[in-house]
Amino acid sequence: DAGITQSPRHKVTETGTPVTLRCHQTENHRYMYWYRQDPGHGLRLIHYSYGVKDTDKGEVSDGYSVSRSKTEDFLLTLESATSSQTSVYFCAISELSSYEQYFGPGTRLTVT
Amino acid sequence: DAKTTQPPSMDCAEGRAANLPCNHSTISGNEYVYWYRQIHSQGPQYIIHGLKNNETNEMASLIITEDRKSSTLILPHATLRDTAVYYCIVGSYNTDKLIFGTGTRLQVFP
Repeated sequence: DAGITQSPRHKVTETGTPVTLRCHQTENHRYMYWYRQDPGHGLRLIHYSYGVKDTDKGEVSDGYSVSRSKTEDFLLTLESATSSQTSVYFCAISELSSYEQYFGPGTRLTVT
Repeated sequence: DAKTTQPPSMDCAEGRAANLPCNHSTISGNEYVYWYRQIHSQGPQYIIHGLKNNETNEMASLIITEDRKSSTLILPHATLRDTAVYYCIVGSYNTDKLIFGTGTRLQVFP
């Protein structure tokens, strides 16, 4: 299995609080991605990174920000969590210009 | 990126071949077909990809029609562990993003 970890694996938080999810890789892959998965919607891309400090938006980026200060870490921040952000969040990595993405185990976030 | 259409669900008997179809009638010449699957509550897993030739690996075979407007993923001897949601994705090789649809839920039964 590709070396991808996500932390925390489960989190419950209250509306309005900031939340940061971490994705860590040991594969030295250039690309990193954050997805969310909700019933009836499949996986939707939030943000992605194509290098240190290089990030771009996906299809559902509103309410989320990301940072990548090191190759191995990609952080997803919810500045002020809302109930609509209750979801399962997956991180993925890939080598240069590759569609062979490798996914982490996911983080289940509940916003009450 | 081209849009794909997949049936929402399919059944397959254990030991038989599972043939999962995907329509991508708007695919352009430089776009690949990729298949992933997601076993319950796990992260998606890459299966196979192709451009225009048929492809085979240890997990599956990918058959792409000559006009490239549709493809079929074949699991030659389905097992209960192949029960999952299967995603067909189309995109150009130098595009950074994968766009997942809702996929096909394959149920393998004993």
